[in-house]
Amino acid sequence: DAGVTQSPTHLIKTRGQQVTLRCSPKSGHDTVSWYQQALGQGPQFIFQYYEEEERQRGNFPDRFSGHQFPNYSSELNVNALLLGDSALYLCASSFWGAQGNNEQFFGPGTRLTVL
Amino acid sequence: AQSVSQHNHHVILSEAASLELGCNYSYGGTVNLFWYVQYPGQHLQLLLKYFSGDPLVKGIKGFEAEFIKSKFSFNLRKPSVQWSDTAEYFCAVMLPAAGNKLTFGGGTRVLVKP
Repeated sequence: DAGVTQSPTHLIKTRGQQVTLRCSPKSGHDTVSWYQQALGQGPQFIFQYYEEEERQRGNFPDRFSGHQFPNYSSELNVNALLLGDSALYLCASSFWGAQGNNEQFFGPGTRLTVL
Repeated sequence: AQSVSQHNHHVILSEAASLELGCNYSYGGTVNLFWYVQYPGQHLQLLLKYFSGDPLVKGIKGFEAEFIKSKFSFNLRKPSVQWSDTAEYFCAVMLPAAGNKLTFGGGTRVLVKP
């Protein structure tokens, strides 16, 4: 049973560019959440997708957008990259039916470096 | 908005010592509480969780945590640490009424010297 997978593992971009990160949830899960973990800090919630719609959003600008596909996989897009966007981007999957009372399973993350 | 505080940023201790990591949160309603661990080079893994019931929760690898509602705390403990417990530990809160969003503390880096 595959856990949460993310691609790519590492990515280097320059300021102003755009990036797309990908996530496949754990088998049986239908909800994907994205988090940003800056160096030396705890993860911060970006947004959550269920049934191909954004259900919740954290305090991130519109440059951060996402998408969920019918197979529950998800993408995180960041436009107009800033140096401050350099971080580890974590994807977590869960089951919507256990809303508020379930565990999120995390992937290994994508390390984004913006130069 | 809710917040989570982990007061110790770095902890260094020797093998067999006892470990206690503090976690406080700032929400007065019903909360679900979690401790996650991130071993070097690995992804976040759940150590233990509290949803309801017995406030003393036992997790994997000999860890336990106690939920004290009156103190808004959920401290993590392990009676005797091993070198393999070297990792970063994160406390997190979820508000069931507000969906599945996790709010994390800043983390505590634990170094266990052999």
